[in-house]
Amino acid sequence: EIVLTQSPGTLSLSPGERATLPCRASQTISRTYLAWYQQKPGQAPRLLIYAASVRATGIPDRFSGSGSGTAFTLTISRLEPEDFAVYYCQHFGNSPTFGPGTKVDIK
Amino acid sequence: QVQLVQSAAEVKKPGASVKLSCEASGYPFISYGISWVRQAPGQGLEWMGWISAYDGNTHYAQRIEGRVTMTTDTSTSTAYMELRSLRSDDTAVYYCGRYESGLVDLWGQGTLLTVSS
Repeated sequence: EIVLTQSPGTLSLSPGERATLPCRASQTISRTYLAWYQQKPGQAPRLLIYAASVRATGIPDRFSGSGSGTAFTLTISRLEPEDFAVYYCQHFGNSPTFGPGTKVDIK
Repeated sequence: QVQLVQSAAEVKKPGASVKLSCEASGYPFISYGISWVRQAPGQGLEWMGWISAYDGNTHYAQRIEGRVTMTTDTSTSTAYMELRSLRSDDTAVYYCGRYESGLVDLWGQGTLLTVSS
């Protein structure tokens, strides 16, 4: 089973700053099967990025994804107040798994 | 309106069973699968499995296989997830989601299941 690691667990940043969220896989995975979700308190997750770098419908272009092999990154170019949330990477192979999440909170 | 509406919160005793529902609207139900994901209090997301609404094929996470059954009723565009032999660590918010090629692009609002004696 592929294990996804997200570190740090919490990122404290200010609005307007750039956020860089890493996701590392325990073995090489195809970019096709890597996604990112955002979750705000009390809400269901929301799909942000799939195939490592493709924005889902309606997602602002300040969100971007990159990476390959075992190392992937979600970047938020300039944090807006509504971006403070928890972000999960997901490998959606035969048995999908989620990373433990990175919380982006206000510094 | 494209949406998934889940059933109300449940409280169950250890050892009991629960069956949660997820009603889809606004899209062709049989063209997608339904995935179930749960989230224990203060914890991350755990994928439980998915079912094809087209042919009923299922794939369950190894951790809960044997205690879970996912079904669909295409006449009402509703998916169900039954979990048996409930334990306290099954306490969580259970989400259903529209599933295609591994992705969940539409989520229900979640159902809180509390397992307590």
